[in-house]
Amino acid sequence: DSGVTQTPKHLITATGQRVTLRCSPRSGDLSVYWYQQSLDQGLQFLIQYYNGEERAKGNILERFSAQQFPDLHSELNLSSLELGDSALYFCASSTVAGPTDTQYFGPGTRLTVL
Amino acid sequence: KNEVEQSPQNLTAQEGEFITINCSYSVGISALHWLQQHPGGGIVSLFMLSSGKKKHGRLIATINIQEKHSSLHITASHPRDSAVYICAVRWTFGNQFYFGTGTSLTVIP
Repeated sequence: DSGVTQTPKHLITATGQRVTLRCSPRSGDLSVYWYQQSLDQGLQFLIQYYNGEERAKGNILERFSAQQFPDLHSELNLSSLELGDSALYFCASSTVAGPTDTQYFGPGTRLTVL
Repeated sequence: KNEVEQSPQNLTAQEGEFITINCSYSVGISALHWLQQHPGGGIVSLFMLSSGKKKHGRLIATINIQEKHSSLHITASHPRDSAVYICAVRWTFGNQFYFGTGTSLTVIP
């Protein structure tokens, strides 16, 4: 158990809908990362937050947004869902925001868009 | 074009064999990570490297910054090492992460 929690574990929804994925980092970790893993594209980095501020941005679509709250939990919002958004979404956390920090991964949320 | 290339894609080994997985990258990086993903989907960070070599138990990771290459070695492989091993680099500019497509390792008893 990494200490990072993600909810829900599974989510099934329809095209055009909007969903929110939640991540609680390990106690004391200030940085949160979001990743998408799909069968055809593998793992992709979406976005990183550090202590409430956006720190780095990857291949995150405009239909997706994220934020980190004062209690350090983070939410990833996915809207106007398409079939291709079906994937595993991982959250990870680290102590600070440096490139050499070890990341601890949550168990993931499996999103299925029908 | 993939910024990170891993080889081999698939690897089957007998228990006890020495295993090497390679990772080459094309961008300037601040760090390289080796990740392990088990069949259930969970991801564990094995190593973070910015230079040199690290060892943890039967696992050894090395990086050559000049050649833009890293290797993950597993000594005395065991069936519980069966997993997908993923190389990830953190790009110096923009702090983006790029991932290899992974190496699927199966260790047979």
